[in-house]
Amino acid sequence: GAVVSQHPSWVICKSGTSVKIECRSLDFQATTMFWYRQFPKQSLMLMATSNEGSKATYEQGVEKDKFLINHASLTLSTLTVTSAHPEDSSFYICSARRLAGPSTDTQYFGPGTRLTVL
Amino acid sequence: GQQVMQIPQYQHVQEGEDFTTYCNSSTTLSNIQWYKQRPGGHPVFLIQLVKSGEVKKQKRLTFQFGEAKKNSSLHITATQTTDVGTYFCATLKAAGNKLTFGGGTRVLVKP
Repeated sequence: GAVVSQHPSWVICKSGTSVKIECRSLDFQATTMFWYRQFPKQSLMLMATSNEGSKATYEQGVEKDKFLINHASLTLSTLTVTSAHPEDSSFYICSARRLAGPSTDTQYFGPGTRLTVL
Repeated sequence: GQQVMQIPQYQHVQEGEDFTTYCNSSTTLSNIQWYKQRPGGHPVFLIQLVKSGEVKKQKRLTFQFGEAKKNSSLHITATQTTDVGTYFCATLKAAGNKLTFGGGTRVLVKP
């Protein structure tokens, strides 16, 4: 149990276009999902916390108008990178925290989406 | 904010040998979590420690939380090629349930 999926697994886009990444909890409900960014050979940096039915909370330095987050249901959060530029190229990973049941402290990570902006 | 520092950044280990990676904080931590990320993969939760001096084992992996709850260690015995990857420590902040990750220790195993 506790499987999180992401779609797409990789995407290549032209500079200036927008890219949407989906994060789904497949077998549990997640009131909270998190979006991270990881540059090559670096650690994971939290970008924002996505809460079902309310606005996302962004970390300092992360532009909310550039990284649009929508958490429409207890199993789906989306991250849209708007007007993408080459410096946005990175590995984007989501995680989900169980709403209830065992291990609510544990975050379950999706497989990640590798974004390359040309 | 709360930060956790990991050392070493890189670890080259001969297959069969033991090694230890360390996680340190300047402030007292309420918990410490450890994750493993294989090359090209995503972080996978290994364990959580919450008690002062706590020690937990998972087969060849031994996790320890310091008495002062400011440091933690992961010790791997008889390293195997399957141990290749990056090991991250992280601490979970109660408010907002946010995870703060250390920089990771990248482990390479020489056969």
